[in-house]
Amino acid sequence: DSGVTQTPKHLITATGQRVTLRCSPRSGDLSVYWYQQSLDQGLQFLIQYYNGEERAKGNILERFSAQQFPDLHSELNLSSLELGDSALYFCASSVAVADNTGELFFGEGSRLTVL
Amino acid sequence: EDKVVQSPLSLVVHEGDTVTLNCSYEVTNFRSLLWYKQEKKAPTFLFMLTSSGIEKKSGRLSSILDKKELFSILNITATQTGDSAVYLCAVPNYGQNFVFGPGTRLSVLP
Repeated sequence: DSGVTQTPKHLITATGQRVTLRCSPRSGDLSVYWYQQSLDQGLQFLIQYYNGEERAKGNILERFSAQQFPDLHSELNLSSLELGDSALYFCASSVAVADNTGELFFGEGSRLTVL
Repeated sequence: EDKVVQSPLSLVVHEGDTVTLNCSYEVTNFRSLLWYKQEKKAPTFLFMLTSSGIEKKSGRLSSILDKKELFSILNITATQTGDSAVYLCAVPNYGQNFVFGPGTRLSVLP
């Protein structure tokens, strides 16, 4: 158990809908990362938050947004869903001090299926 | 653009074999390189390497970093079927996100 909690574990929805994925980082970790992993694809970085502020942005679509709340949990919002958005969405956390040498701890992921 | 390349992408061996997985990287302001094992779900941490030439070891797994040639290797000796997984290499970049390689899918046959 990494200490990173993601909900829901599984989600099935229809095209055009909107979903919210939730992540609670490990106790003490200030930084949260979101990654997308499609079938047989590598981990694609979406976005990073550090102590409530957006720190880095990757290949995140405009239909997707995220935020980190004062209690450090984070939510990833996916809207106007398309079939291609079906993937495993991972949240990871780290202590993430400025020099970024800390390891990432991953949650179990949220598997999104868009029908 | 920061990138991490892994080879081979796929590998099939028999139990007892020794395997070497490769990871090369190009990132600005290199600080560390991390190896993860991904079975069915979440990647789990194996090693973090920051210094060249110092081998990190955990049981049958070991890893070493060459900062001059910009690569790392992960060795697994006496492989077991439980070693079957995707092995991921990652490097944090200057933008403070972690860049992952595509992974090496290892299949260990009984």
